[in-house]
Amino acid sequence: ETGVTQTPRHLVMGMTNKKSLKCEQHLGHNAMYWYKQSAKKPLELMFVYNFKEQTENNSVPSRFSPECPNSSHLFLHLHTLQPEDSALYLCASSRPTGWENTEAFFGQGTRLTVV
Amino acid sequence: GQQVMQIPQYQHVQEGEDFTTYCNSSTTLSNIQWYKQRPGGHPVFLIQLVKSGEVKKQKRLTFQFGEAKKNSSLHITATQTTDVGTYFCAGFSGGYNKLIFGAGTRLAVHP
Repeated sequence: ETGVTQTPRHLVMGMTNKKSLKCEQHLGHNAMYWYKQSAKKPLELMFVYNFKEQTENNSVPSRFSPECPNSSHLFLHLHTLQPEDSALYLCASSRPTGWENTEAFFGQGTRLTVV
Repeated sequence: GQQVMQIPQYQHVQEGEDFTTYCNSSTTLSNIQWYKQRPGGHPVFLIQLVKSGEVKKQKRLTFQFGEAKKNSSLHITATQTTDVGTYFCAGFSGGYNKLIFGAGTRLAVHP
């Protein structure tokens, strides 16, 4: 148990569906991340939030829409996805840079399949 | 932007043999972190190196940070089947909290 909880663990959705991934942490961290992990690619950073503000959008298509209502919760809203978006989506949190320990704590991930 | 490169992509060893993975950054890093991801699992933090030339050990694992703070290595002595997984290095890019991961080295250990 890392202290970072992601739901759902598995999701199958059609290309016309709208769904949301949820991430929650109660570690007191102020930085939260979304990563995409595909079978043939490394961990790809998608979005970074610091103190609820989006500080990084790594050229992610607009069919992925993040939301961070507070420092403990992070969402990834999905709509009109493509089959190539099927992957493991990982949420992580950490202390902000400048602190002594900035290791990322990952959730278990959501295995997404787009059909 | 910053790139973090890692080699090899894959290595399989016989149990008891040593293993090393190397990480190189295109820019100087403030620190470097190492993670392990077991098959079917999520990345788990192993260690962070901050100082130039720093060496840290965790049992059979030895982590090294280069003098120029642009490269790092992880060495496992006498591998065991429990060492199986993918090992990632990660460093912060110029952006605030932009943690970039290397491609990872997948280690297979044959008994």
